[in-house]
Amino acid sequence: NAGVTQTPKFQVLKTGQSMTLQCAQDMNHEYMSWYRQDPGMGLRLIHYSVGAGITDQGEVPNGYNVSRSTTEDFPLRLLSAAPSQTSVYFCASSYSVVDSPLHFGNGTRLTVT
Amino acid sequence: GENVEQHPSTLSVQEGDSAVIKCTYSDSASNYFPWYKQELGKGPQLIIDIRSNVGEKKDQRIAVTLNKTAKHFSLHITETQPEDSAVYFCAAESGTYKYIFGTGTRLKVLA
Repeated sequence: NAGVTQTPKFQVLKTGQSMTLQCAQDMNHEYMSWYRQDPGMGLRLIHYSVGAGITDQGEVPNGYNVSRSTTEDFPLRLLSAAPSQTSVYFCASSYSVVDSPLHFGNGTRLTVT
Repeated sequence: GENVEQHPSTLSVQEGDSAVIKCTYSDSASNYFPWYKQELGKGPQLIIDIRSNVGEKKDQRIAVTLNKTAKHFSLHITETQPEDSAVYFCAAESGTYKYIFGTGTRLKVLA
C-alpha cells in the first residue's frame, strides 16, 4: 500500500494563479482532510470530507475549494493564489470519521510570490 | 473556538534522559487524543493515542497520561535516543469530525 500520496512535492505560483494539489489514498478510508502547516501555528484544518460527495469547511477554508467524487481522491484547489497561502499543505485520511488516527501524506510545499 | 495549548515549544535533553511534553485542551467533549511525530520533510506519523476512558497508556519507551478533569494530557519519552529528535504534536478530537492540533514541540536529543 502506498498510503496517502500527495503531488506535487513543491510548487511556486505567482499571485492570482490557480492550481490543484492532488491527494490520493489506497486504504479505503472514509475520512479525508487538508491541513496547512505554518511556523509556530501547528496544523490548521482547511476542509474535510466524511465520504464521497460530502465535504465541509474547517478552520481556515477561505481561498480553497475541495471536491470528493471518489473515495480515493480529495483534491484541493487554490482559486486565486495569494502570498498568505505560502505554506506546507498536508492531506490526511482515517478509517472512520471519529476516534480514528489520521494518516498523513508527505506534504506539498507551496510558495506564492 | 476550541484550542489546544502545547508546551514547551522547544526541548533539549541529554541522550538517555526523559522528555515530557504537555498539552491542555478546551473542549470538554473531546474523547480521543493522538500524538504525532514529524521528521524533517515528512508528514506527521502517529506514535501513540489515548481515549478518555483510560488514564495512561504505554508503548515501550513512550507513554501518554490523561487527566480529563483538568483537561491535560502529556507525552513521556524515557531513555531518549538521537532518533527521537523531531517535532511532536498533540491533538484533540473536537466537535464533529475535526482534530485540533497543538503548535508543536521541537525535541532535540543531545548525544
